Amino acid sequence: AQSVTQLDSQVPVFEEAPVELRCNYSSSVSVYLFWYVQYPNQGLQLLLKYLSGSTLVKGINGFEAEFNKSQTSFHLRKPSVHISDTAEYFCAVSGGYQKVTFGIGTKLQVIP
Amino acid sequence: NAGVTQTPKFQVLKTGQSMTLQCAQDMNHEYMSWYRQDPGMGLRLIHYSVGAGITDQGEVPNGYNVSRSTTEDFPLRLLSAAPSQTSVYFCASSPGLAAIQETQYFGPGTRLLVL
Repeated sequence: AQSVTQLDSQVPVFEEAPVELRCNYSSSVSVYLFWYVQYPNQGLQLLLKYLSGSTLVKGINGFEAEFNKSQTSFHLRKPSVHISDTAEYFCAVSGGYQKVTFGIGTKLQVIP
Repeated sequence: NAGVTQTPKFQVLKTGQSMTLQCAQDMNHEYMSWYRQDPGMGLRLIHYSVGAGITDQGEVPNGYNVSRSTTEDFPLRLLSAAPSQTSVYFCASSPGLAAIQETQYFGPGTRLLVL
């Protein structure tokens, strides 16, 4: 079985401040990890993914995430957020199955 | 490419009615899936397909049917709508035979209200 826990349902942050959105996972097999973003009234789109190799993954819009196997985490970070980053962010895990399991989402609210 | 398209965008049903949510992709993707999104529950997989003629159940399949007669289309049927099926439905596709390593491309969603 596999599961994802997103530890924060909402994260308010001031514009130009750094942000970290937390994600922990569990899986009985090797994992592949994803972060997706959903802007209001839209579908999800991929920010970044970890399949193998370097544990630091860079994605679109200045986001990056670090895979930490010992802590079973895949936290998403951005050094300086913009108003346009206001959205809901979903962590997802897959591994050994033809299915992807999503977390419940974290709403990032960027405050001007 | 239009990507993944879904129709309708909005739908109101009465309890007991049936309907089909349409999903099509023009990227020649093998893998297609249906999710529902509910507040505080994230996205939950309803059904998925790894190619024409092959479908399987996801996490919450009850009350829904799917078929995959072509690579492009993957309709979701609600057999007898219930208020618990009020949700936002997303269709997604990915190029490989499995979504586990591939990027999924999502449609814009169908917002369904069951009265």
